[in-house]
Amino acid sequence: QVQLVQSGAEVKRPGASVRVSCKASGYTFTNYYLHWVRQAPGQGLEWMGVIDPTSGSTTYAQTFQGRVTMTRDTSTRTVYMELSSLRSEDTAVYYCTRYYGGDSPLFDYWGQGTLVTVYS
Amino acid sequence: DIQMTQSPSSLSASVGDRVTITCRASQGISNYLAWFQQKPGKAPKSLIYAASSLQSGVPSKFSGSGSGTDFTLTISSLQPEDFATYYCQQYNSYPWTFGQGTRVEI
Repeated sequence: QVQLVQSGAEVKRPGASVRVSCKASGYTFTNYYLHWVRQAPGQGLEWMGVIDPTSGSTTYAQTFQGRVTMTRDTSTRTVYMELSSLRSEDTAVYYCTRYYGGDSPLFDYWGQGTLVTVYS
Repeated sequence: DIQMTQSPSSLSASVGDRVTITCRASQGISNYLAWFQQKPGKAPKSLIYAASSLQSGVPSKFSGSGSGTDFTLTISSLQPEDFATYYCQQYNSYPWTFGQGTRVEI
């Protein structure tokens, strides 16, 4: 069965970086784009960016340009999202989710979420 | 960026009610519109993609319609498990953007 399993919760100081992982299983890893979406406490959903596991190419939301880096390791079927220069506003649950593309179902599977807490 | 505006922001309803949520895009997005349901402490769940296509396993009481800039999500007969927050999302052009959410409560 399809699974996206994320790494555990993180607590970071302002100015630090965090790396969240998302390990995929149950499907052909390179067939689906992996997206990252975050949700601050009590707030809505915010799209952060996407990585193509085949080529490694990425597209990021302008909000995060210069602070976010998405990478992948095809040997372990894992994608990573690193966010740097953390501030308190980055406290959120971070989700990975997948999309095949075109007219296929959007975001049919999600990771369980990773809580990142930034506090001084 | 394309702005997605949902209305209402919240609504109160009863079991058995028919509920409609609307989503308006600030520019045309063809049919690249999805709807998600989210319950507290859980990841979002996909309900509808391509404006009107039902995600596999989602009951047919959920339906979506619209194209261009105006879209709706309808729940034909509200059940207790449907009380949640609903989000629309456009995926026509980057950055993909979500509506602010509609909370459906008793």
